[in-house]
Amino acid sequence: EVHLVESGGGLVQPGGSLRLSCAASGFMFSSFGMNWVRQAPGKGLEWVSYISGSSSTIYYADSVKGRFTISRDNAKNSLYLQMNSLRDEDTAVYYCARGNYGGLTFDYWGQGTLVTVSS
Amino acid sequence: DIVMTQSPLSLSVTPGEPASISCRSSQSLLDSSGYNYLDWYLQKPGQSPQLLIYSGSNRASGVPDRFSGSGSGTDFTLRISRVEAEDVGVYYCMQALQILFTFGPGTKLDLK
Repeated sequence: EVHLVESGGGLVQPGGSLRLSCAASGFMFSSFGMNWVRQAPGKGLEWVSYISGSSSTIYYADSVKGRFTISRDNAKNSLYLQMNSLRDEDTAVYYCARGNYGGLTFDYWGQGTLVTVSS
Repeated sequence: DIVMTQSPLSLSVTPGEPASISCRSSQSLLDSSGYNYLDWYLQKPGQSPQLLIYSGSNRASGVPDRFSGSGSGTDFTLRISRVEAEDVGVYYCMQALQILFTFGPGTKLDLK
């Protein structure tokens, strides 16, 4: 059974940094692209970043480009999101999601981890 | 970026009755092979989103057959043939034509 478990969220001051992790199990992790999707409190879904199985292809939403870095460690079945220069508007629940059907569909999601940016 | 719109934004349905949600994209999501890059997701209260429909009309594994997706190009529809209590939540469409994936604003479905 596929499982995705995020961790690393918490309270951080504006301008600070945080590193999120997503532990994957139940599938061949290296064969799938992975994504981060976030949801601000009471708001809709916003895609944040994508990384291919080999890490050769990476994309970011304009709202986080230059501040966030996605990475993965296939030996550890883990996905990461390094978030720097955090802003109030980055406050959200962050979900990791597996990409399937060519990497273009998010077929499994984690339970999410809350990031709160506030002074 | 491709802009996604949904209507209605809220929907109140009597259990056992049908429901329909419309999704429109600012540009065609149909490629030359006939593939529509449009997915539907449901976020139940307090839960993570879950995949319902991919490529416009294909039900994901484990999704009840009362859910169906249709449409092509820029206009898509999600239909629920008979709404059940467990269908309550927010429904999102998402375009996957461009890797800068974008979601619709969501349609909140509740029961009358």
